[in-house]
Amino acid sequence: AQSVTQPDIHITVSEGASLELRCNYSYGATPYLFWYVQSPGQGLQLLLKYFSGDTLVQGIKGFEAEFKRSQSSFNLRKPSVHWSDAAEYFCAVGGYQKVTFGTGTKLQVIP
Amino acid sequence: DTAVSQTPKYLVTQMGNDKSIKCEQNLGHDTMYWYKQDSKKFLKIMFSYNNKELIINETVPNRFSPKSPDKAHLNLHINSLELGDSAVYFCASSRNQGQSTEAFFGQGTRLTVV
Repeated sequence: AQSVTQPDIHITVSEGASLELRCNYSYGATPYLFWYVQSPGQGLQLLLKYFSGDTLVQGIKGFEAEFKRSQSSFNLRKPSVHWSDAAEYFCAVGGYQKVTFGTGTKLQVIP
Repeated sequence: DTAVSQTPKYLVTQMGNDKSIKCEQNLGHDTMYWYKQDSKKFLKIMFSYNNKELIINETVPNRFSPKSPDKAHLNLHINSLELGDSAVYFCASSRNQGQSTEAFFGQGTRLTVV
């Protein structure tokens, strides 16, 4: 069965600081991985996705993620966080017929 | 133009009532989903339809009945609402049911049962 673990429930960073959100997955075959962002009161928006090829993928809003098969990880990074990045971030793994989400990491950005 | 739209955005109702949430997508996608997000933000798939055909039913109580009149619509009807049904319900769609296909989400419907 596929599963996703996001070990950090809540992270606080200062504006301008770098960010890394952790994600570990479990999937029996080649994983298809996604990061979504949910702003307050909104639906989920896709930030980036990994299917194959280059293990470092670029997304929207200056985010990137690195796939590491040996660690079963797909961590999300941003070099300099903006106040507008405060939101809930979800890592997800695509299985046949459905996408399974992690429990989310809430990002708080302080001035 | 909104790609995946749900109505209503907010729904407050009493226990025991029956209510429906509607979802429409204008992306031409074949697959649609309903997800439930609880108070801890956990997102769990409830149903998946592909070309109007039920693909996934994740052990959801049979008080929940999805209906897909065509592949652009997937409505959710809930009978005999209970307090525990309070959550945000998200509709989503994807091009097909393959594992590589990203899902596009609606804005969510916040259901509060009192």
